[in-house]
Amino acid sequence: ILNVEQSPQSLHVQEGDSTNFTCSFPSSNFYALHWYRWETAKSPEALFVMTLNGDEKKKGRISATLNTKEGYSYLYIKGSQPEDSATYLCAFKGTGNQFYFGTGTSLTVIP
Amino acid sequence: DVKVTQSSRYLVKRTGEKVFLECVQDMDHENMFWYRQDPGLGLRLIYFSYDVKMKEKGDIPEGYSVSREKKERFSLILESASTNQTSMYLCASSYLGFTLEKLFFGSGTQLSVL
Repeated sequence: ILNVEQSPQSLHVQEGDSTNFTCSFPSSNFYALHWYRWETAKSPEALFVMTLNGDEKKKGRISATLNTKEGYSYLYIKGSQPEDSATYLCAFKGTGNQFYFGTGTSLTVIP
Repeated sequence: DVKVTQSSRYLVKRTGEKVFLECVQDMDHENMFWYRQDPGLGLRLIYFSYDVKMKEKGDIPEGYSVSREKKERFSLILESASTNQTSMYLCASSYLGFTLEKLFFGSGTQLSVL
């Protein structure tokens, strides 16, 4: 079982604040790193799939970066809105068939 | 849009019962997965399947079995439910062999075993 860690575990921010969180994963046998957003009572939804060292992805106010050599990815949210409140999961995929998930970062945006 | 449907949102069962959790996807995906989510732990893989009648154990297969008789349907079976199987169960599917394959999830089944 591979170790994928996310920090912080939870986060409360004011509406309009920018925030970021971290996903750490093994730097060997890297294939892909996924970010998912999981809102309460809904299905987790993919935000980004990243495969190349130095990758940067952006979707609206949310962006992510990837460093495969040192084994981390950052997720940034600019100008947080209440609808951004969710648990953000990262998942590491190595050369095997499995995805390994972190425990998630729970974000609450206070209006 | 891809749809992954899990048969029940909430389920309450008794210890020792045989429990079936059903998952259906409508996008002809080859891969299907069963995960469980527990507080303080990441999603943990129970079983996955990359084709009809094919299955592979994940990290925590003990106490579970699976069935994939049709491509669109992947069932998780708790042979004799126990209280430590109380959890949120998530089904997911994806295409096989695409570099950027992402997982499509169902909305989960919260199972309580009493």
